[in-house]
Amino acid sequence: NAGVTQTPKFRVLKTGQSMTLLCAQDMNHEYMYWYRQDPGMGLRLIHYSVGEGTTAKGEVPDGYNVSRLKKQNFLLGLESAAPSQTSVYFCASGAWGSGAFFGQGTRLTVV
Amino acid sequence: AQSVTQLGSHVSVSEGALVLLRCNYSSSVPPYLFWYVQYPNQGLQLLLKYTTGATLVKGINGFEAEFKKSETSFHLTKPSAHMSDAAEYFCAVRASLGTGTASKLTFGTGTRLQVTL
Repeated sequence: NAGVTQTPKFRVLKTGQSMTLLCAQDMNHEYMYWYRQDPGMGLRLIHYSVGEGTTAKGEVPDGYNVSRLKKQNFLLGLESAAPSQTSVYFCASGAWGSGAFFGQGTRLTVV
Repeated sequence: AQSVTQLGSHVSVSEGALVLLRCNYSSSVPPYLFWYVQYPNQGLQLLLKYTTGATLVKGINGFEAEFKKSETSFHLTKPSAHMSDAAEYFCAVRASLGTGTASKLTFGTGTRLQVTL
């Protein structure tokens, strides 16, 4: 099983550019999450989804958009990247009592 | 609303010594609680979880944690540290009831465990 796969693994963007991060899971999980990880701040929830076609805001949603058109995919978009969005981004999926399974992360640098 | 507080951003123990990583939570409904481990440049891996039933839960790599409702705590322990335990550890909480926002999984800021010879 691949589990949770994130694409790409590394990316460098210029300020103002846009990009989409793709997350795919093969465990038929209802819930999917996008987090960002910054030193000393743990993982902060950006957006999450409780099922196909649904999305909701987390703690730090500004500057990001998401879509979940298919159950297995959860896309995170940056419309106009800013240096403050330099971070490591993690996608996770889960079921009600199972906790969450994480991808390997995307390291994004905005210059 | 829910939150997690991990006491101590860095913990250092000698190899063979007891490991104790502290986690306190706040939740308006009965919680589900989790511990994750993260090795450098990797994603997070689930160590153990408490959902219902026995309050002492055992996980992988010899770790265990005890849910104490009266103390709102879920501390992680291991009797004897090994060099390979050096990593960052995260405690997380989610509601056990409800829908929608109840599925949010909230993390603490992490504790970096150093194991010395």
